[in-house]
Amino acid sequence: ETGVTQTPRHLVMGMTNKKSLKCEQHLGHNAMYWYKQSAKKPLELMFVYSLEERVENNSVPSRFSPECPNSSHLFLHLHTLQPEDSALYLCASSPGTENTEAFFGQGTRLTVV
Amino acid sequence: ILNVEQSPQSLHVQEGDSTNFTCSFPSSNFYALHWYRWETAKSPEALFVMTLNGDEKKKGRISATLNTKEGYSYLYIKGSQPEDSATYLCALPTGTASKLTFGTGTRLQVTL
Repeated sequence: ETGVTQTPRHLVMGMTNKKSLKCEQHLGHNAMYWYKQSAKKPLELMFVYSLEERVENNSVPSRFSPECPNSSHLFLHLHTLQPEDSALYLCASSPGTENTEAFFGQGTRLTVV
Repeated sequence: ILNVEQSPQSLHVQEGDSTNFTCSFPSSNFYALHWYRWETAKSPEALFVMTLNGDEKKKGRISATLNTKEGYSYLYIKGSQPEDSATYLCALPTGTASKLTFGTGTRLQVTL
């Protein structure tokens, strides 16, 4: 148990569906992140929120829309995804400084059909 | 774009063997290096955060060294056990909120 909880753990959605991924942390961290793990590729940063402000949008298509309503919660809204978006989506949180570790959730395994 | 490389990509050792793997990174603008262990169906968990050239950190049978001048870090596992089977990731934090750039990882499998 890392203190970062993601739901759901698995999600299958059609290309016309709208779904949301949820992440929650009660570690008192200031920064929250979405990462994507595709097959045979490194973990890729998608979005960063620091103190509830988005500070990074790593050229992610607009069909992915993040939301950070407060410092403990982070969402990733999904809309009209493509099969190539199938991947493991990991949420993480950290105090936001270089010398402090990030804490990760277990991820959501997303399949787009 | 920060280029973080790890080698080997995968490793298969017998129980009791000692092993090591490498993380290479650009030596300029270095702030810190993180090592994570990622077991199947679990969350990545931090092993070490290293900041100083010449740093050496140890946790049980696992240790790591850091050379920021030449841009590499080694992770060592002494007397590998099956529970050490995992993917080992290194990552460098950069920019606002210390976003992490990861290497592709080294997948370690330890068999009896």
